[in-house]
Amino acid sequence: DSGVTQTPKHLITATGQRVTLRCSPRSGDLSVYWYQQSLDQGLQFLIQYYNGEERAKGNILERFSAQQFPDLHSELNLSSLELGDSALYFCASSLDRESYGYTFGSGTRLTVV
Amino acid sequence: AQSVTQLGSHVSVSEGALVLLRCNYSSSVPPYLFWYVQYPNQGLQLLLKYTSAATLVKGINGFEAEFKKSETSFHLTKPSAHMSDAAEYFCAVSSNTGNQFYFGTGTSLTVIP
Repeated sequence: DSGVTQTPKHLITATGQRVTLRCSPRSGDLSVYWYQQSLDQGLQFLIQYYNGEERAKGNILERFSAQQFPDLHSELNLSSLELGDSALYFCASSLDRESYGYTFGSGTRLTVV
Repeated sequence: AQSVTQLGSHVSVSEGALVLLRCNYSSSVPPYLFWYVQYPNQGLQLLLKYTSAATLVKGINGFEAEFKKSETSFHLTKPSAHMSDAAEYFCAVSSNTGNQFYFGTGTSLTVIP
């Protein structure tokens, strides 16, 4: 157990729908990062939050959004889902700067049908 | 800007043989370098990291990596492969001032009995 908790582990939904993925960071970590892992794109950084505020943005689509709450858990919202959004979505956390190394959760596997 | 290139998307070694997974980085500033391992259906686990201290870094499970600035490399090695080493390995780079990781495309390691 890495200490980073992601729910749900699996999600199957239809095109056009909206889903929310949840992440609880490791105790004491203030930063949360979201990544998308797919066969054709590899591991893509989506977005980072630090202590409730957006800190960095990567290749995140406009249909996707995220937030980090006062208790430091984070949610990734994916809307108007397309078949191509099917992927593993990972959350990672770190104390602050990435130099400490990320701790990853076990991921949410999203299947859009 | 930072990036990493992992040479060889698939590597096969015999059990007991040397493991060598290659990673070359590109960075305009002194980099922080990382190796992560991903076992099937799991998240990424930090193997080791280089943060400008000793150039030879020892990690978990008998793995080590050497930072060679002249070659812009950070290759991962293990003297004797074990069946349990079969997994996907990712090299990553970040700057010491930025807040994003850049992952390589991964190398799948197969260990042949």
